[in-house]
Amino acid sequence: EPEVTQTPSHQVTQMGQEVILRCVPISNHLYFYWYRQILGQKVEFLVSFYNNEISEKSEIFDDQFSVERPDGSNFTLKIRSTKLEDSAMYFCASSSTSGTYNEQFFGPGTRLTVL
Amino acid sequence: AQSVTQLGSHVSVSEGALVLLRCNYSSSVPPYLFWYVQYPNQGLQLLLKYTSAATLVKGINGFEAEFKKSETSFHLTKPSAHMSDAAEYFCAVRTLNNDMRFGAGTRLTVKP
Repeated sequence: EPEVTQTPSHQVTQMGQEVILRCVPISNHLYFYWYRQILGQKVEFLVSFYNNEISEKSEIFDDQFSVERPDGSNFTLKIRSTKLEDSAMYFCASSSTSGTYNEQFFGPGTRLTVL
Repeated sequence: AQSVTQLGSHVSVSEGALVLLRCNYSSSVPPYLFWYVQYPNQGLQLLLKYTSAATLVKGINGFEAEFKKSETSFHLTKPSAHMSDAAEYFCAVRTLNNDMRFGAGTRLTVKP
């Protein structure tokens, strides 16, 4: 069964460093998303991406964040200068269409720890 | 703006007992609602989704949810809890921008 994969599963970094979180969406999917979950809190939407550009982004997704689809398979989230409050679980998701009932498939997440 | 609220951050039931996890929604348009489950150290797995075809929705692992417009609710139930049901459960609503807005989650504990 196709699934969304994410690497690494756990990333530890120093405050101020750049990190890149990687995702491989399901191969025939066209819509991609990033969410984050701070420990003990709800899952929050960050950004959606379609046709090589951002479709929507939340207020959390500031200039420190960027997304890219560098090739035909990977979808990345970059945080330019990490802050302590960026420590969270980051989930990638993908869907085949943007249809309202269409399911988003989630990856297992990357746990980012900023020291 | 669409949103969901989950009542109860932690629910504990005995094995074999009824599971009831509560979710209320707020939406100015017909909502598109989902329940996800998150097992420890894993991602989010879809349990079921409301597509307006039927108010009672059946999902995986014996779970079901009933959409009640009059109560703006979409509670998740399972007649008989199993130890393997212990997990975090999230209610979510799809927004008009097609992103998902999640509730705070309910941690289900199943006692033997």
